[in-house]
Amino acid sequence: QVQLQESGPGLVKPSQTLSLTCTVSGGSISSGSYYWSWIRQPAGERLEWIGRIHTTRGTKYNPSLRSRVTISTDTSKNLFSLTLTSVTAADTAVYYCARGIEWSPPTYHLDSWGQGTPVTVSS
Amino acid sequence: DIVMTQSPLSLPVNPGEPASISCKSSQTLLHSDGRNYLQWYLQRPGQSPQVLLHLGSIRASGVPDRFSGSGSGTEFTLRISRVEPEDVGIYYCMQNLQAPLTFGGGTKMEIK
Repeated sequence: QVQLQESGPGLVKPSQTLSLTCTVSGGSISSGSYYWSWIRQPAGERLEWIGRIHTTRGTKYNPSLRSRVTISTDTSKNLFSLTLTSVTAADTAVYYCARGIEWSPPTYHLDSWGQGTPVTVSS
Repeated sequence: DIVMTQSPLSLPVNPGEPASISCKSSQTLLHSDGRNYLQWYLQRPGQSPQVLLHLGSIRASGVPDRFSGSGSGTEFTLRISRVEPEDVGIYYCMQNLQAPLTFGGGTKMEIK
């Protein structure tokens, strides 16, 4: 059974870069047809999809964040990462990584999630 | 972006009773392949979301058959035939027809 675990700093200063990693265990990040995804949830607000990466189909980002976000994989460490530049208080949220499984192409659903990591943007 | 609207915001239910949640989208979620690209997730207190249904009505692996989904186009419903205590939490619908994937605002179900 695949497990995902987020890690990264819980506090980031405004204008700096947020970097999070999601370590995947119980399965290889480079096998199968999976969409490795990031979602966030500001306190009291709805879930917001940040973007995803697929081993052969590349990346897709939320247009509202596209200029600031990068998702990448490190197959040697079996993890994928999120980088968000020029953060502001509006980026304060719980950040989740998740695996999207392609049950029936071209659609996928998020069948495994990390526990989430809280990130606060504050000086 | 496709806007997802859920109702009600709060849903108190007695154990053993049925429950239903509505989800409406600002655009049709009916794909040209004939399937509705609509998913349902449950976020139990203190936990991450977990998928319940995808393609509108297909239960994800391990999901009890008391959960069912219906609807097409822009209007969808999640039904629980007999609510169990472990069903408490926030239910979200999500569209994956087009990027960005978008979620509803959530329906908080609690036991009376």
